[in-house]
Amino acid sequence: EPEVTQTPSHQVTQMGQEVILRCVPISNHLYFYWYRQILGQKVEFLVSFYNNEISEKSEIFDDQFSVERPDGSNFTLKIRSTKLEDSAMYFCAGGTGETYEQYFGPGTRLTVT
Amino acid sequence: RKEVEQDPGPFNVPEGATVAFNCTYSNSASQSFFWYRQDCRKEPKLLMSVYSSGNEDGRFTAQLNRASQYISLLIRDSKLSDSATYLCVGGAGNNRKLIWGLGTSLAVNP
Repeated sequence: EPEVTQTPSHQVTQMGQEVILRCVPISNHLYFYWYRQILGQKVEFLVSFYNNEISEKSEIFDDQFSVERPDGSNFTLKIRSTKLEDSAMYFCAGGTGETYEQYFGPGTRLTVT
Repeated sequence: RKEVEQDPGPFNVPEGATVAFNCTYSNSASQSFFWYRQDCRKEPKLLMSVYSSGNEDGRFTAQLNRASQYISLLIRDSKLSDSATYLCVGGAGNNRKLIWGLGTSLAVNP
């Protein structure tokens, strides 16, 4: 069964540094998402990506965040200048768009020190 | 009202028990609904979709009441392996973003 993969599984970075989180979605998916989950809190929508552009973003997804799908395979989330409050699990997800069902990668735990 | 609201629990039940979780939603998360399961520090995994007519998958039954904006999940004959957090989720908008409840923690004890 195809799976969404994410790398790295754990990233530790210093405040102010740039990080890139990588995801390889399932090949027949057309809609891609990033969500985050701060420890002990709910999963929060960050951004959706369709047809090679951002289709929707939340208030959390400010100018420090960007996404791209450069080669039709990898889907990346970049945080330009990390803050302590960016520490969270970041989940990539995808779906065909035919339904609302989405399938998640194992997540990247980002720790900002 | 918060978009998707759940009782966080925890629910502690013995093996074999029947347990029910409830969830309420606001209008903004009102197109499709799901129950996801999340194990500690893992990704959410789709458990089942929720339909107005009710749907059943083995020991799990989900129900949606649109008039009351209420969703339920019933687990029968609970197993130790059912211990997890159960997330009530609404799908909204053309981009199909998911709006999440905080989750209800279940511990099934031997």
